[in-house]
Amino acid sequence: KAGVTQTPRYLIKTRGQQVTLSCSPISGHRSVSWYQQTPGQGLQFLFEYFSETQRNKGNFPGRFSGRQFSNSRSEMNVSTLELGDSALYLCASSGPGLAGGANEQYFGPGTRLTVT
Amino acid sequence: GENVEQHPSTLSVQEGDSAVIKCTYSDSASNYFPWYKQELGKRPQLIIDIRSNVGEKKDQRIAVTLNKTAKHFSLHITETQPEDSAVYFCAASMGGNYQLIWGAGTKLIIKP
Repeated sequence: KAGVTQTPRYLIKTRGQQVTLSCSPISGHRSVSWYQQTPGQGLQFLFEYFSETQRNKGNFPGRFSGRQFSNSRSEMNVSTLELGDSALYLCASSGPGLAGGANEQYFGPGTRLTVT
Repeated sequence: GENVEQHPSTLSVQEGDSAVIKCTYSDSASNYFPWYKQELGKRPQLIIDIRSNVGEKKDQRIAVTLNKTAKHFSLHITETQPEDSAVYFCAASMGGNYQLIWGAGTKLIIKP
């Protein structure tokens, strides 16, 4: 199976602009999670989508939003970009697993966003 | 809500020695505990996981142990090699619709 893909891989934007990042999960996976990772920092959870619905949400401002399409592809949008939004944005997909159990997450390569 | 603490934040070991990273979790309902390895400039990759119905799991040089009573789980790497140098993340989940809660990461340095 093809792995998780993310586009674009690199992006440079100016403060105040908005940006949309895309994530295509592994075929058959219905859950997509998004994370922000800054240099030397851990994985900060943004949100998770499952079957086109936001199932979980982290502690990020409303400028960060997302959606999921019927083919499980997901997008995240950041409006009114700030310098502090510069980071690696990772998405991870997970699929059907043990009944009632959590499933392994598989990460994409990430989109590196630089805000100037 | 669930909280995961990971220690140490940095671990430096001599090549060939063993490395142990420990995580503690707060919610006794958590039942899934994966470990991820992130090499410099690469994506996190699952290296081993354990579910609450077992106490230990091994895969070649790596093993994970789980102590449900004390609510902690550990990653053990034996006979460390230079390619083990990376940041390791632990996580915990209550399963089902619940998200993974992540530890802050441990930077493992293997000294030649």
